[in-house]
Amino acid sequence: AQKVTQAQTEISVVEKEDVTLDCVYETRDTTYYLFWYKQPPSGELVFLIRRNSFDEQNEISGRYSWNFQKSTSSFNFTITASQVVDSAVYFCALSEANRNTNAGKSTFGDGTTLTVKP
Amino acid sequence: ETGVTQSPTHLIKTRGQQVTLRCSSQSGHNTVSWYQQALGQGPQFIFQYYREEENGRGNFPPRFSGLQFPNYSSELNVNALELDDSALYLCASSLPQTVTYGYTFGSGTRLTVV
Repeated sequence: AQKVTQAQTEISVVEKEDVTLDCVYETRDTTYYLFWYKQPPSGELVFLIRRNSFDEQNEISGRYSWNFQKSTSSFNFTITASQVVDSAVYFCALSEANRNTNAGKSTFGDGTTLTVKP
Repeated sequence: ETGVTQSPTHLIKTRGQQVTLRCSSQSGHNTVSWYQQALGQGPQFIFQYYREEENGRGNFPPRFSGLQFPNYSSELNVNALELDDSALYLCASSLPQTVTYGYTFGSGTRLTVV
């Protein structure tokens, strides 16, 4: 069975601080996909990034960066120079490979609530 | 593109009743997944539909069923509602290459069962 653990329930930082959100996953599959989503108070999840199990290259997108380490089954997310608008709940998700849709059944962590104070 | 629209936004039902939640996806999004999100938890995968056929299911009983239509809309039906069914129900759609484009989520339907 797949499992995603986001050990940090809540994080509070002051604006401009860097913050890392941890994600550890468990799966027996050799092909799988990892995602990060942001859920603002409005409720809808916003897609941020995806990684497949064969691509361990780290990625940077503006102030966001992701560190995928297969050896430790971790897919951590760092926000550099945090801003108040980054305040939200962040979810890490693991998806099974599916022959029809690439990413099939998804397992989400319970999320990390990030509060960025001015 | 108009995003993913879910209706209604809020709903109150009585235990034992049946409910239908609706989702309207973007044109071309032939993959749709439904999730149940309890307060303070991550979304739980209910099922996925691809080209109007069920394409994977989570650990939900058969009283949770779905339909996907050719016009990229879909429904989630729940029979014999229980108090524990109270949650935010999210619909997410995608182009066929889900890992390339990711899923677009709607704002959800907040279901309260009393």
